[in-house]
Amino acid sequence: EDKVVQSPLSLVVHEGDTVTLNCSYEVTNFRSLLWYKQEKKAPTFLFMLTSSGIEKKSGRLSSILDKKELFSILNITATQTGDSAVYLCAAGSGTSYGKLTFGQGTILTVHP
Amino acid sequence: DTAVSQTPKYLVTQMGNDKSIKCEQNLGHDTMYWYKQDSKKFLKIMFSYNNKELIINETVPNRFSPKSPDKAHLNLHINSLELGDSAVYFCASSLFVGANEQFFGPGTRLTVL
Repeated sequence: EDKVVQSPLSLVVHEGDTVTLNCSYEVTNFRSLLWYKQEKKAPTFLFMLTSSGIEKKSGRLSSILDKKELFSILNITATQTGDSAVYLCAAGSGTSYGKLTFGQGTILTVHP
Repeated sequence: DTAVSQTPKYLVTQMGNDKSIKCEQNLGHDTMYWYKQDSKKFLKIMFSYNNKELIINETVPNRFSPKSPDKAHLNLHINSLELGDSAVYFCASSLFVGANEQFFGPGTRLTVL
């Protein structure tokens, strides 16, 4: 059965800290790794990674994929209170009609 | 606004009732999905439709019946609601079948009393 595991489950930091969120996956016919940010409502798309070793960046957020070791990390530098959210990792299948298998999420709380 | 929208946002109902949730996307996507997010925040795929055709049907009780009148709409009807059905239900869409990048609606919080 396909599985995605995130760690830590929760994290509390202060503004300005740097955080690293981890995601490991075991998915048949893996094609891509996606990161979403979920505040009170819908998960919003952050990154999709398909190639190993190539970092994707968006402002203070960056992510990288290691297809050999089957994991990805999401880094957030100079955290702000607005970064407080649940961060979801999902592994996408190249078959099964593009099905996404989600991890349980990391709850990030950033204190002022 | 281009988006995935769902109605209602909140639904509180008694055990045994039947209810429906509606989803619409105006992104021009071919594929739509229903996910269930439980209290532990796990998002699990329930169903997927591609251009009105059911393509993913995970292990879901047959009290849940999706229906797609056209590729922009995907509804979810639930019969004989049970306490364990309480969750947030998210609709999502992707450009085409097999596209992993999915866009989510705001969710419908269902509470069964």
